[in-house]
Amino acid sequence: GAVVSQHPSWVICKSGTSVKIECRSLDFQATTMFWYRQFPKQSLMLMATSNEGSKATYEQGVEKDKFLINHASLTLSTLTVTSAHPEDSSFYICSARAPGTSLNEQFFGPGTRLTVL
Amino acid sequence: GDSVTQMEGPVTLSEEAFLTINCTYTATGYPSLFWYVQYPGEGLQLLLKATKADDKGSNKGFEATYRKETTSFHLEKGSVQVSDSAVYFCALRVGQGAQKLVFGQGTRLTINP
Repeated sequence: GAVVSQHPSWVICKSGTSVKIECRSLDFQATTMFWYRQFPKQSLMLMATSNEGSKATYEQGVEKDKFLINHASLTLSTLTVTSAHPEDSSFYICSARAPGTSLNEQFFGPGTRLTVL
Repeated sequence: GDSVTQMEGPVTLSEEAFLTINCTYTATGYPSLFWYVQYPGEGLQLLLKATKADDKGSNKGFEATYRKETTSFHLEKGSVQVSDSAVYFCALRVGQGAQKLVFGQGTRLTINP
């Protein structure tokens, strides 16, 4: 139980285009989902926290207009990188949590590698 | 602010060797401490955790003790296997009911047969 998937696993796009990454909790309902960014040989940096049905809470320094997060259902959250540029190239990881249940810890997806040309 | 520092990798050991991966932290409150493991091609998985000083977390032969006096949470295993090859992340969470995890940079471990 507690499996989280991400799609796509990798994506290459041209500068200026937008890219959508999906995060799904496959066998549980996640009231809270998180989006992280990881640069090579660096730690995971939390970008934002989203609760189902409400606006995401972004960490300091993360542009909410550039990284659009939607958490419209208890099993799906999406991250859209708008007008992507090469500096947005990174590894994006999501996690999901069900507070108040036995699944109170964060369960992580396998990540999505974004390369912007 | 809150932060986690791990020993730099990569770490390469022979099978059945003793493993230690150092982790120290800085936190304003009383954090819960975690070790996550990421196997190739998979997401991070919770390996073990400790929620208060002197607690010992253990799982799959791995252990880590919450040392408040040294602000450390070192990961140890007495005899590693090839299947333990992965990236290991130390992390903390501050505040009861808080959700935010702060991660170290990860340590890549390779075990040779």
